[in-house]
Amino acid sequence: SQTIHQWPATLVQPVGSPLSLECTVEGTSNPNLYWYRQAAGRGLQLLFYSVGIGQISSEVPQNLSASRPQDRQFILSSKKLLLSDSGFYLCAWSVSKDQPQHFGDGTRLSIL
Amino acid sequence: AQKITQTQPGMFVQEKEAVTLDCTYDTSDQSYGLFWYKQPSSGEMIFLIYQGSYDEQNATEGRYSLNFQKARKSANLVISASQLGDSAMYFCAMRGLMDSNYQLIWGAGTKLIIKP
Repeated sequence: SQTIHQWPATLVQPVGSPLSLECTVEGTSNPNLYWYRQAAGRGLQLLFYSVGIGQISSEVPQNLSASRPQDRQFILSSKKLLLSDSGFYLCAWSVSKDQPQHFGDGTRLSIL
Repeated sequence: AQKITQTQPGMFVQEKEAVTLDCTYDTSDQSYGLFWYKQPSSGEMIFLIYQGSYDEQNATEGRYSLNFQKARKSANLVISASQLGDSAMYFCAMRGLMDSNYQLIWGAGTKLIIKP
């Protein structure tokens, strides 16, 4: 069966520091991968999606970037975090764009 | 533009009662998919049920069923025999199936609390 791992679960970072969140999927090949951000009490905002290695599409211009160095690895990064980057970040995968997306446990990011 | 509306910000329901969570959508796409997700307080987003716009029968998954009324553009989630573990946020989401857009459109969510 397929599983998705996302870490760390929580992270506290100072303003201006770099960021790297990692997500890996097991049990499937060439998945679609997604990074979302969720503000407190709100719905999800799609940040990036990827349909293959090295293929990244950005939905929202922001202080963040994403990379997919391997088929089942998706990384969310920032060179210098802003206060507004605080939130709950979720990684997800799907077999195709039409199929349900399955989510990791999320990372709670607090910027001080 | 596509839009999902969940009009119930919060609901209290007695344990073992049935629950209906409302979802209405707006789209000009002829073919689309509707999804329901559950988010417990721990944060993970759990896929519950899917309904395709051309599916003639309402989707069911265990205690979850989707009351799909295409003409009214509604896709309400019904939870039968609610349990304490059903307490969570519930999100309705949609995407068009015929275009290259990968974005799911999400509702604002409904917070469901099951009372013992």
